[in-house]
Amino acid sequence: SYVLTQPPSVSVAPGQTARITCGGNNIGSESVHWYQQKSGQAPVLVVDEENDRPSGIPERFSGSTSGNTATLTISRVEAGDEADYYCQVWGSSSDHPGVFGTGTKVIVL
Amino acid sequence: EVQLVESGGGVVRPGGSLRLSCAASGFIFEENGMNWVRQAPGKGLEWVSGLNWNGGRTGYADSVKGRFTISRDNAKNSLYLQMNSLRAEDTALYYCARSTGDLYYYYYMDVWGKGTTVTVSS
Repeated sequence: SYVLTQPPSVSVAPGQTARITCGGNNIGSESVHWYQQKSGQAPVLVVDEENDRPSGIPERFSGSTSGNTATLTISRVEAGDEADYYCQVWGSSSDHPGVFGTGTKVIVL
Repeated sequence: EVQLVESGGGVVRPGGSLRLSCAASGFIFEENGMNWVRQAPGKGLEWVSGLNWNGGRTGYADSVKGRFTISRDNAKNSLYLQMNSLRAEDTALYYCARSTGDLYYYYYMDVWGKGTTVTVSS
């Protein structure tokens, strides 16, 4: 089955840039979605497969993919960005299983 | 207000069964694919199952295939997950999530419920 690997945590100072990677075999050819999950809350989409953001998500959040890595970039990090972040794709087999990355905790110093 | 509300969770012994429900409101339920996603305590998200707008196509994670069955009743604006042969590793918070399109796959999940907790323990 398809595996998406993320670093367990990323630490960043306020105002700096956080980059969260998501590694998967040829993920550059996949449609990748990124979700944010704050403590005790349900996940929320922050960036979709076309690098668009739902209303209410600031432009500071952006996504990119290349080769075997997808990246979520959070610019000008704020304390409120502290959360777990997950990448997600849909498998290419006939039943299209969903696959989430292992998750990354963003720690704002 | 667009809303999903899960119910049916509880404590069940290994080998037992449970049926989860998800009540949808605030949107035209039959237009969207739907999914179940779970999260074990202190762990990450795991996609469990999904089905298309009319229930005609379904998908399951390997970990639940043959034990869980997803279904929907568009007349009742409801999504279900029948869980049989439950195991300790099925213990998790189960979320219901809406797909932005008529398929459960390809699109992202834009509306999530607050979840219902399933505990499998003897």
